[in-house]
Amino acid sequence: QKEVEQDPGPLSVPEGAIVSLNCTYSNSAFQYFMWYRQYSRKGPELLMYTYSSGNKEDGRFTAQVDKSSKYISLFIRDSQPSDSATYLCAMSPLTGGGNKLTFGTGTQLKVEL
Amino acid sequence: GAGVSQSPSNKVTEKGKDVELRCDPISGHTALYWYRQSLGQGLEFLIYFQGNSAPDKSGLPSDRFSAERTGGSVSTLTIQRTQQEDSAVYLCASSSRRDTGELFFGEGSRLTVL
Repeated sequence: QKEVEQDPGPLSVPEGAIVSLNCTYSNSAFQYFMWYRQYSRKGPELLMYTYSSGNKEDGRFTAQVDKSSKYISLFIRDSQPSDSATYLCAMSPLTGGGNKLTFGTGTQLKVEL
Repeated sequence: GAGVSQSPSNKVTEKGKDVELRCDPISGHTALYWYRQSLGQGLEFLIYFQGNSAPDKSGLPSDRFSAERTGGSVSTLTIQRTQQEDSAVYLCASSSRRDTGELFFGEGSRLTVL
């Protein structure tokens, strides 16, 4: 079993829809939780970063972490065609050993006009 | 340049050949990472360099894989005697911070082993 599980999709939604992406994990040592966005043939870029449990909002994006359930989510409101990409969750433990992130497989999202 | 630069962007090689992939991190970033992304798989950690410390090689899949970082800047990932299962996108990332997950990735080197 992988440390981080993520549904690969693809997920197709109409423009303006609310999108919910999520990951589950098994390693209780994870304390930092991130969402990266990766466009086709590009490198991933950091979208959201959360430390420990709770919510964080940034514009149309909201990240949620529920450590008791080992479950994290990314919500995208008013989705746009430009949001079409692969979304990767990533996480790391609270150590000084650098950012050796453990990634999910990524969920491919397509927002259609 | 402003971002992480990787070369070559594409490499096609024959099974058994050696390949070298290069990464030029963002200037001033002390940490450098190599990840591998295979079709349908997430990013797999390979190796991590932080300043002058000994690298964390715990993710290298076999002794055919090695990496070095010269002068605390440019890094080269070498794969010897390539196998078809080595076909993947090799991503390099750099970071200036240890306490967040903000890695800055290059666009990757797409390796195809025939």
